[in-house]
Amino acid sequence: LAKTTQPISMDSYEGQEVNITCSHNNIATNDYITWYQQFPSQGPRFIIQGYKTKVTNEVASLFIPADRKSSTLSLPRVSLSDTAVYYCLVGDGRYSSASKIIFGSGTRLSIRP
Amino acid sequence: EPEVTQTPSHQVTQMGQEVILRCVPISNHLYFYWYRQILGQKVEFLVSFYNNEISEKSEIFDDQFSVERPDGSNFTLKIRSTKLEDSAMYFCASSPTGTGNDGYTFGSGTRLTVV
Repeated sequence: LAKTTQPISMDSYEGQEVNITCSHNNIATNDYITWYQQFPSQGPRFIIQGYKTKVTNEVASLFIPADRKSSTLSLPRVSLSDTAVYYCLVGDGRYSSASKIIFGSGTRLSIRP
Repeated sequence: EPEVTQTPSHQVTQMGQEVILRCVPISNHLYFYWYRQILGQKVEFLVSFYNNEISEKSEIFDDQFSVERPDGSNFTLKIRSTKLEDSAMYFCASSPTGTGNDGYTFGSGTRLTVV
């Protein structure tokens, strides 16, 4: 599994757009990029996944440049409830068995009023 | 939206006692996982389970741990003789295909406190 690097923490204010960047220089051809969100005392929650270019859903957007060595999770107009830890994971989306996902330390996002 | 359900939400046990943590994965999912998170630390992989057998386990998952799918709906984690360092949040997860394409659905966790 490719190693990922992301900021330990970020602060922002309600209504702002927040961009969290993750570096994954050793990403392999078959690897997908997946982001999870974790609120205190809750399990991680799948947010978004992509392979290249841009993916958007009702929660976030994921931007992946052509070289795929980094990715940016974009949260539009954050609110206090977006305060959480965000994890970037990189791995083969085509597992042949029940392969594990490995969490790093994540980015602790704090939103202020 | 389908959920992974875990019970109990909190459990306090004495050191040396056996505990069983229970999970009901999403009904059409075939791949199951246990993770744990010690307070303030990373979410750590324990074990993956498919087709009624363990697919992979971490170094944490030693002989004191076992998993079982006793009745086709529940997925349990047993710790035979708990230690103080087993105190953590334990998360169950399931996936329909075991691939990253589908994402993994996690439960809300069981907070285990060993005293």
